[in-house]
Amino acid sequence: GAGVSQSPSNKVTEKGKDVELRCDPISGHTALYWYRQSLGQGLEFLIYFQGNSAPDKSGLPSDRFSAERTGGSVSTLTIQRTQQEDSAVYLCASSTDREEKAFFGQGTRLTVV
Amino acid sequence: SQKIEQNSEALNIQEGKTATLTCNYTNYSPAYLQWYRQDPGRGPVFLLLIRENEKEKRKERLKVTFDTTLKQSLFHITASQPADSATYLCALILTDSWGKLQFGAGTQVVVTP
Repeated sequence: GAGVSQSPSNKVTEKGKDVELRCDPISGHTALYWYRQSLGQGLEFLIYFQGNSAPDKSGLPSDRFSAERTGGSVSTLTIQRTQQEDSAVYLCASSTDREEKAFFGQGTRLTVV
Repeated sequence: SQKIEQNSEALNIQEGKTATLTCNYTNYSPAYLQWYRQDPGRGPVFLLLIRENEKEKRKERLKVTFDTTLKQSLFHITASQPADSATYLCALILTDSWGKLQFGAGTQVVVTP
């Protein structure tokens, strides 16, 4: 595609439910990042993929959060047993290499009620 | 602890003037520093990248400096326009954590006609 695509753009879920957020990176981009941005805050690093491997998972807030990437392309961020503090915008970015500029998607706004 | 600090106060500036933003970091050894622009409800957009062995980078009306001794980067918007109003984020790529693009909280710039 022309850019990084994230779906859904908005998600409202009940506390305790599981959610899956999807990211379609730019074709050919080997590096993929997930960030979380709370209202008025900066970007919080969650996880980074190089190909299908995740050399850095240090930012995942708890074991309720997991992410995978298949075929060196699509990535899914899963949040189990959602809590209200998980409410935020989840942003995905991709780049040709870890040293290059990152292209961001429009984000998924997650609201846990 | 590691920190990336950007001025949290909004920068209000008159059209035509130069806006200067600061990014300070502590306890990092960045290999690269990037600047992004973020508009409300959108993902960040890459502007400029500067490497640790570079002192200055320019792109059109934008200029970035990188002082690894002071642990500081300055971002300048010359001849500012109302369309430059946005939040500007600095981000570091660390030498010891390749791929972990770490962001500051950003500084909002408001350019008035």
